[in-house]
Amino acid sequence: GESVGLHLPTLSVQEGDNSIINCAYSNSASDYFIWYKQESGKGPQFIIDIRSNMDKRQGQRVTVLLNKTVKHLSLQIAATQPGDSAVYFCAEIPPRTGRRALTFGSGTRLQVQP
Amino acid sequence: DAGVIQSPRHEVTEMGQEVTLRCKPISGHDYLFWYRQTMMRGLELLIYFNNNVPIDDSGMPEDRFSAKMPNASFSTLKIQPSEPRDSAVYFCASRPAQGGGELFFGEGSRLTVL
Repeated sequence: GESVGLHLPTLSVQEGDNSIINCAYSNSASDYFIWYKQESGKGPQFIIDIRSNMDKRQGQRVTVLLNKTVKHLSLQIAATQPGDSAVYFCAEIPPRTGRRALTFGSGTRLQVQP
Repeated sequence: DAGVIQSPRHEVTEMGQEVTLRCKPISGHDYLFWYRQTMMRGLELLIYFNNNVPIDDSGMPEDRFSAKMPNASFSTLKIQPSEPRDSAVYFCASRPAQGGGELFFGEGSRLTVL
């Protein structure tokens, strides 16, 4: 069953296209960021992370970009596949003196059309 | 490793009843987190533990909620008495002390309070 709501922004792409999912984070002092993927009925799964001393990091088919000036993160997925359909969350961790727990954004639903 | 294990996966109860959700973190992980996911509020941190000690419970909604971690391999989240607005998916997550901060999530416990 669905584990997230119906009011999420939705990005619909064709299979094989590239996807870009955006996220605005809240704390300018956050030093660590993660993207998670959540499929229906499952818990969030780690995709990729980035530290605040970097502005880009690449994984397998995914790239995360960090713009600290405007507190913006993006997740790029190359050659999107039907299995990429899910809700994607960005999450941040405040600096060492703060809570060492992830704060999650509201999520974006990615729908991949075959 | 089996990952984070949560039980029950689904719980349906009547208003006023006590609910106990259980979590077994990944062996060797020092941190344990309880999150709640709803349509309206997304993923919210309720409480987290470090070495079995509660560190931050500021996300616990009210006194009806309590969490314990009697040992490194077990935690409970209890709601007494339960109310319909407690209906949500409750996730447990864990992570080691070292590393960037990636959380490993369980599959969640879907609670419905009638």
